[in-house]
Amino acid sequence: GESVGLHLPTLSVQEGDNSIINCAYSNSASDYFIWYKQESGKGPQFIIDIRSNMDKRQGQRVTVLLNKTVKHLSLQIAATQPGDSAVYFCAEGPPGATNKLIFGTGTLLAVQP
Amino acid sequence: DAGVTQSPTHLIKTRGQQVTLRCSPKSGHDTVSWYQQALGQGPQFIFQYYEEEERQRGNFPDRFSGHQFPNYSSELNVNALLLGDSALYLCASSFAGGPYNEQFFGPGTRLTVL
Repeated sequence: GESVGLHLPTLSVQEGDNSIINCAYSNSASDYFIWYKQESGKGPQFIIDIRSNMDKRQGQRVTVLLNKTVKHLSLQIAATQPGDSAVYFCAEGPPGATNKLIFGTGTLLAVQP
Repeated sequence: DAGVTQSPTHLIKTRGQQVTLRCSPKSGHDTVSWYQQALGQGPQFIFQYYEEEERQRGNFPDRFSGHQFPNYSSELNVNALLLGDSALYLCASSFAGGPYNEQFFGPGTRLTVL
């Protein structure tokens, strides 16, 4: 499949470590945020979302933090596994158009065994 | 339950030609959005269809058009292809039942324009 990791920021971690992927979003009025995982040759896969009335949300091994003051979003992955290796995108849903997602540039997560 | 499906998987065209890409949404979904993803970049929103009408549109020229059928499936048409149209075209489906609609993406169609 094609590579979506060319020229992307890269985060390299050891298997078992925790990973933190950061994202800056553009619209201070956006009220819906999502993290997607994209493996080579595949479409983006939903990981976790958060609404603007929250600052933290936890899923299975993943946590999303939202800092509206500085328009910053982060994804924390606990006990990172080789299967977590992929490109991670944050996306924001503008007010009144939450389906019209605006994606960030992506971060390539490389998990070393 | 089949997820979002797209066809074809890969397509090669030459400049000036026209192309049609197809998408079947996830069962129970009624809204289809199309995105263009250039290599090494995040997806960019093209447009969205709901109730067989274009509801929202991104910054794409009129060469990009679409259609939604009564069974909720959708087509993306691109006319007068340019080299810069080479990209992965993604379809995402969702259910318009609430203000925050999780979008499920298909595997995409890789379009190469020569």
